[in-house]
Formats: sequence, structure tokens, C-alpha cells
Amino acid sequence: DGGITQSPKYLFRKEGQNVTLSCEQNLNHDAMYWYRQDPGQGLRLIYYSQIVNDFQKGDIAEGYSVSREKKESFPLTVTSAQKNPTAFYLCASSREGVVSPLHFGNGTRLTVT
Amino acid sequence: QKEVEQDPGPLSVPEGAIVSLNCTYSNSAFQYFMWYRQYSRKGPELLMYTYSSGNKEDGRFTAQVDKSSKYISLFIRDSQPSDSATYLCAMSDNGGSQGNLIFGKGTKLSVKP
Repeated sequence: DGGITQSPKYLFRKEGQNVTLSCEQNLNHDAMYWYRQDPGQGLRLIYYSQIVNDFQKGDIAEGYSVSREKKESFPLTVTSAQKNPTAFYLCASSREGVVSPLHFGNGTRLTVT
Repeated sequence: QKEVEQDPGPLSVPEGAIVSLNCTYSNSAFQYFMWYRQYSRKGPELLMYTYSSGNKEDGRFTAQVDKSSKYISLFIRDSQPSDSATYLCAMSDNGGSQGNLIFGKGTKLSVKP
């Protein structure tokens, strides 16, 4: 089955530690995205990548970093500079082109204490 | 004024009811409109994708776009308890493949048996 796999489902970290969230897709999609979802807020774009070895900042990139070394993988690192990292993180992918809806993974719930 | 407004609910209806979910928007350049369904602790899944104005039907679901009023709707006929979820509207001026998809905050729906 094609899809997007995010791991782990739940992640706990101490304040001051960097943490990396995994996202893998086997849909052969060119574009990949990271969103953050907080209660009562819409999805907010952190970073996106349209092609390997290239990525762009979204609306809330501060305190996050990404890499895109392979088409299938788009890991997100939440750094200690992110002031409020506890959230539900969603990875998505899409084909390139104008009419291309997003396909989402099932998210990683990150709790930082 | 926010770009996309969506009533967060919660909306509670009896099984079998017709449900109407709505979003308003301010950017007249939007022409791609999507509805996603998100179950608790899961990623959003695409329900409906429409371009420009008009209606689109898929089983019990109908998506309606009124560009003159900047208003989109999702109707669910014969609602079922399995329809209980949060429904997110999303829209873009170029299909969203370049990271500029704008999401509403979501409406939480509960269908009671």
C-alpha cells in the first residue's frame, strides 16, 4: 500500500534537546511538507520541498530545520530554539503540478517538558 | 480579517441528519477548494477537491463553491456515527503544490446514534 509513514507516533523530550521526526513516502511524490497543528488553530506550514536537495521555509520555520537528501524522505528537526515545540506534527506529500491535493501521514505527537 | 474562516463547532447531530459545514474566505484569487476529514489522533484525509465554482457530488458528500459570495460548503447526507470527525476546509490560488494551501481551523462534528 502506498502512503506516508511518520514515526514515532508519540515522542517525549526534555527541554533543550533537539529531536528529529521521521517522514517517509512511497507514493513517488516530488513535493513534501511539514505542518504543525495546535488545538483551535489551523494547520500551519513549517517547511516544504518540491525537489531533492531543495526546500523552502513556510510560515513558522523558526526553530526548525529539514533536509531532503532522498525523494522518499523529509525529516524534520525540532531544535532547542523552538520556543513552544509541544504540538502535533503532520507530514504530507503531493505530486507536482497544479491540481495536486496533499496526502498526509498520521502525525507525530511531540511533548517537550 | 483572516483569510479563511470556519466555525469550530462542536456540531452535534442525530444519525441520519443532513449536515452542512461551511467556510468563508477573503482572497478572490482562490480557485482550488478542498475538504479534508480528520479523525482523532490521525492525519487529515482528502474528501473532496473542486476547482472554481459549482457543485461536486461523491456518494453522501456534496461540495459546493460560491465564488461570488466567497463561500464554500460541504453537505453530508444520511450522516453516520462514523462521520464523527473534524472537517477542515482548504483552498489555494494555484492548487497548493507550492506550499500555499490555506486551511480553516476545522469544524468538529459528532453524529449521535
